[in-house]
Amino acid sequence: QKEVEQDPGPLSVPEGAIVSLNCTYSNSAFQYFMWYRQYSRKGPELLMYTYSSGNKEDGRFTAQVDKSSKYISLFIRDSQPSDSATYLCAMSANAGGTSYGKLTFGQGTILTVHP
Amino acid sequence: NAGVTQTPKFQVLKTGQSMTLQCAQDMNHEYMSWYRQDPGMGLRLIHYSVGAGITDQGEVPNGYNVSRSTTEDFPLRLLSAAPSQTSVYFCASSLSGTTSETQYFGPGTRLLVL
Repeated sequence: QKEVEQDPGPLSVPEGAIVSLNCTYSNSAFQYFMWYRQYSRKGPELLMYTYSSGNKEDGRFTAQVDKSSKYISLFIRDSQPSDSATYLCAMSANAGGTSYGKLTFGQGTILTVHP
Repeated sequence: NAGVTQTPKFQVLKTGQSMTLQCAQDMNHEYMSWYRQDPGMGLRLIHYSVGAGITDQGEVPNGYNVSRSTTEDFPLRLLSAAPSQTSVYFCASSLSGTTSETQYFGPGTRLLVL
């Protein structure tokens, strides 16, 4: 069983829709949670970062972490065609020791927003 | 400031051939790493380095070698390529490698092993 599970989709929504992307995980040591966006044939770029449980909002994007359920979400409001990409969740335990800086990624969800 | 650069963009190898994937960054980052991305698997860490002369294994290190002689460069060597190493390879860097830092990824190298 993978440490991080993410529904690969693909997910297709109309422009303006609210998009919900999710990941579940099994390692209770994970403390840092990230969402990366990856356009076709490009490297991933960091979109959102949260530490421990709670919500974080940045423009049209909201990241939620529920450590009790080992579940994280990314919401995209008023989705745009330019949001079409693969979204990867990533997690890490506390810095230090053998987990130093290393990320565990989900499989990625392919999102298409059509006009 | 070019960020993280990778060469080549695309490579075809025959089984048993060797090659080196190049990665360079101009941000004076201490931490550099290599990932491979396969369909349905996400990105998996191959090797990482926390500074010049210091490297360590990640999740899937077998078949790959690394060394870090300068802060800027972190090449990945395939000694004897196998079809299972067909993948897209990404190099990433961050300032010191602590978890809260942003990792910057290069554009990737697509490798096909026949």
